[in-house]
Amino acid sequence: AQTVTQSQPEMSVQEAETVTLSCTYDTSENNYYLFWYKQPPSRQMILVIRQEAYKQQNATENRFSVNFQKAAKSFSLKISDSQLGDTAMYFCAFISGSQGNLIFGKGTKLSVKP
Amino acid sequence: SQTIHQWPATLVQPVGSPLSLECTVEGTSNPNLYWYRQAAGRGLQLLFYSVGIGQISSEVPQNLSASRPQDRQFILSSKKLLLSDSGFYLCAWEGPNYGYTFGSGTRLTVV
Repeated sequence: AQTVTQSQPEMSVQEAETVTLSCTYDTSENNYYLFWYKQPPSRQMILVIRQEAYKQQNATENRFSVNFQKAAKSFSLKISDSQLGDTAMYFCAFISGSQGNLIFGKGTKLSVKP
Repeated sequence: SQTIHQWPATLVQPVGSPLSLECTVEGTSNPNLYWYRQAAGRGLQLLFYSVGIGQISSEVPQNLSASRPQDRQFILSSKKLLLSDSGFYLCAWEGPNYGYTFGSGTRLTVV
C-alpha cells in the first residue's frame, strides 16, 4: 500500500526567507502523481503544485518549486521569498496513475513570521 | 470553468440527530467525487468516493453513508450522529491529470 510521510509537524520561517518542507512516499508503481496542497486558516484546500512521476524536470509555480527525487521517493516543497499569506498547513499527496485515490500525509504547519 | 459547491459551512447538531451534507459540481460531466474528513489538527481521511450515479465505495466502516442521486451531486448522510462524527468534511472532484479540487468544507460539531 502507498504511504505518504511528512516528518515535520511544524516549521517557521521569517518573512522573505526560503523554507523547504519535506515529504517522502512509498510505492512500487512507476506511474504516479504527486501534489502539494495548502490549507490556510480558512481551511480551504488549495492546490499549490503538481509533479508527474514520468517527468524528470522539477515543477515550478512562481515562488513554489519542488525537488523530486524519484529514486529516493522524496518530494520536497521549496517556498522562496516567504510571505505572511503563506502561513498554512501544507499537505503532500500521492495518487497512482493506474488506480486508487489521493493519499495525504499528515501535514506540516508553516508559520511565516514578520 | 468547473466549480464545486458545498454546504452548509457550519453545523452544530445534537447526538442522535440526522445529518445531510450536500456537494454539487458545475461545469463538468460524470466527475469522480470524494468525501474526506479531517479531524482537528490531523490529515485527511477518505470516507467515500463515487465514479458515477448510484455508485458508492466506502473506505472505512463508520456511522456515515453517501449517495449520488444525480451526476453532479454527492450527499453525505447519517441517521444518528455520534460525538466522534465531529470534524471538518470536505468534498472533492477529480479533474484532469488526477488533481483534486476541493469544496470549502463543512465544520460539523456534534454536541
